[in-house]
Amino acid sequence: EAEVAQSPRYKITEKSQAVAFWCDPISGHATLYWYRQILGQGPELLVQFQDESVVDDSQLPKDRFSAERLKGVDSTLKIQPAELGDSAMYLCASSLAAGGDNEQFFGPGTRLTVL
Amino acid sequence: LAKTTQPISMDSYEGQEVNITCSHNNIATNDYITWYQQFPSQGPRFIIQGYKTKVTNEVASLFIPADRKSSTLSLPRVSLSDTAVYYCLVGDPRGSARQLTFGSGTQLTVLP
Repeated sequence: EAEVAQSPRYKITEKSQAVAFWCDPISGHATLYWYRQILGQGPELLVQFQDESVVDDSQLPKDRFSAERLKGVDSTLKIQPAELGDSAMYLCASSLAAGGDNEQFFGPGTRLTVL
Repeated sequence: LAKTTQPISMDSYEGQEVNITCSHNNIATNDYITWYQQFPSQGPRFIIQGYKTKVTNEVASLFIPADRKSSTLSLPRVSLSDTAVYYCLVGDPRGSARQLTFGSGTQLTVLP
């Protein structure tokens, strides 16, 4: 069964350092999402791509976060500089192009700890 | 943005049927209702989606009354492995996912 791949699975960094997360969606999925999930809370959308274009990044802290999906396939989420409050699980998901059935398939996530 | 309200937690015993209700009083005409399941240290997994009446698949049923202001996820004969957080999402799946707010979900604990 096809899955969304993410790496690394775990990342420990010190505040003010730069970190990057990678996501490879399910082949053929045009829509890609990055979520942040703080312990005990539900996932919060950071950015949504349709192919290589950003559909929604209204909740992405653009002073320190950036996301790209240059060729409309895999994607990278970067944080620079990392802050203590960025400690969370970062989830990537993908789905087929827009339609009534828009099931999102999630990857295993990257657990970030900022010291 | 449609807001959802669901219980924070529920307990059940193995073999019982579990019903989790979600309130969404300001659901819009184009909104669908979607449920996800999440185990610790994993990403959420799609369970079921519906627009009205009843939807059933191999793992769950979704009941939606005529006014669509609430919905009930029904899990038949739960097992210990069904212990997880369950999220109710309401929104137009053709739009931005930002409207599909996960909220805090319902922690279901299945006891032996």
